[in-house]
Amino acid sequence: NAGVMQNPRHLVRRRGQEARLRCSPMKGHSHVYWYRQLPEEGLKFMVYLQKENIIDESGMPKERFSAEFPKEGPSILRIQQVVRGDSAAYFCASSPAERGPTNEKLFFGSGTQLSVL
Amino acid sequence: EDKVVQSPLSLVVHEGDTVTLNCSYEVTNFRSLLWYKQEKKAPTFLFMLTSSGIEKKSGRLSSILDKKELFSILNITATQTGDSAIYLCAVWGAQKLVFGQGTRLTINP
Repeated sequence: NAGVMQNPRHLVRRRGQEARLRCSPMKGHSHVYWYRQLPEEGLKFMVYLQKENIIDESGMPKERFSAEFPKEGPSILRIQQVVRGDSAAYFCASSPAERGPTNEKLFFGSGTQLSVL
Repeated sequence: EDKVVQSPLSLVVHEGDTVTLNCSYEVTNFRSLLWYKQEKKAPTFLFMLTSSGIEKKSGRLSSILDKKELFSILNITATQTGDSAIYLCAVWGAQKLVFGQGTRLTINP
């Protein structure tokens, strides 16, 4: 059973370009969470999605950032017109939410390291 | 706003020492507290705690929760160099898992 898969592992973009980060949850998991981690900091919540629905996007910046989790295919975190401050590690996590989404352990992917030049 | 605070932020000890990592929280509608270990990249799950006073153990690692005082500790006995990592504490808030800033633990041989 493959774990949470994220790609690419490393992504380099110039200022103003778009970044697309992909996350395939573990098999059987229908809940996806995106987190951002800056060096020497903890994980900051960005968005929580279920299939075709955004449940909580309270951690997403109001502009340039969007996320989706379509019926088919991976979850996508999209950052438009990237700036240097977007450079960070972006982690995706999934859960089956069998006992309700707030009493589960999350399984994390290896992250995408975004570098903005 | 939900908040999780870990201490110390950084800790350096010698192999064989015992360490205690701290986590305090302020969360609306607390449900559970989790500990993760982060080495190179992906955080890996260690413990989930939901009830006060019940110690969870896994080998040399153990953890306990105090819901009255709103904190948890993670103990590691007889530390080894492979225990070097960032240890993350997280608490389920309304619909999201809120993380502390982590404790960077370094074990010197």
